[in-house]
Amino acid sequence: AQTVTQSQPEMSVQEAETVTLSCTYDTSESDYYLFWYKQPPSRQMILVIRQEAYKQQNATENRFSVNFQKAAKSFSLKISDSQLGDAAMYFCAYRSYGNQFYFGTGTSLTVIP
Amino acid sequence: DAGVIQSPRHEVTEMGQEVTLRCKPISGHDYLFWYRQTMMRGLELLIYFNNNVPIDDSGMPEDRFSAKMPNASFSTLKIQPSEPRDSAVYFCASSQQGVSGNTIYFGEGSWLTVV
Repeated sequence: AQTVTQSQPEMSVQEAETVTLSCTYDTSESDYYLFWYKQPPSRQMILVIRQEAYKQQNATENRFSVNFQKAAKSFSLKISDSQLGDAAMYFCAYRSYGNQFYFGTGTSLTVIP
Repeated sequence: DAGVIQSPRHEVTEMGQEVTLRCKPISGHDYLFWYRQTMMRGLELLIYFNNNVPIDDSGMPEDRFSAKMPNASFSTLKIQPSEPRDSAVYFCASSQQGVSGNTIYFGEGSWLTVV
């Protein structure tokens, strides 16, 4: 079975600075999708960014970008110009070919004013 | 477009009572998922449906839990009888095969407290 590992339970960043959240996964599949979700205190799960495994180019959404290393099975999220509203729990997720979703245990991000 | 709609948003019930959580997926989505989130166990997949048919219910904790999807626009998760350890946030989510990488979209969650 696929597993998703987020090795950083907590991270903090100064407002306006850049932070990188780590995620690794284990799979034998060649075709899959990876996601980052944000969960603020309201508990709403919000899609941040999506990456197709067959694409070489790293996905970018405004201040959010990923560093996708397929061979290393690594999928990190970079948040640039951090804002107070970025404070949340961040989950890395893997979608298998069979449409199963696997989530990591999350990284709690604190933004320091 | 309306997102995934869950009800109730908050529920407090006494141990032994029946609890029914409801979900309306995004129109056109053919996959529906029920997740449970607790501090201890994180985000757990309970069951998921494809075209209203349950595909994998191996995450359902025990016989007290049941889920149905009578049509493409409605699903329920029932707990009978409820126990304090069932206290959690229950999320419903949906996705559409072949669209946006099958991105899964979550509802706002149902906060269940069993006392």
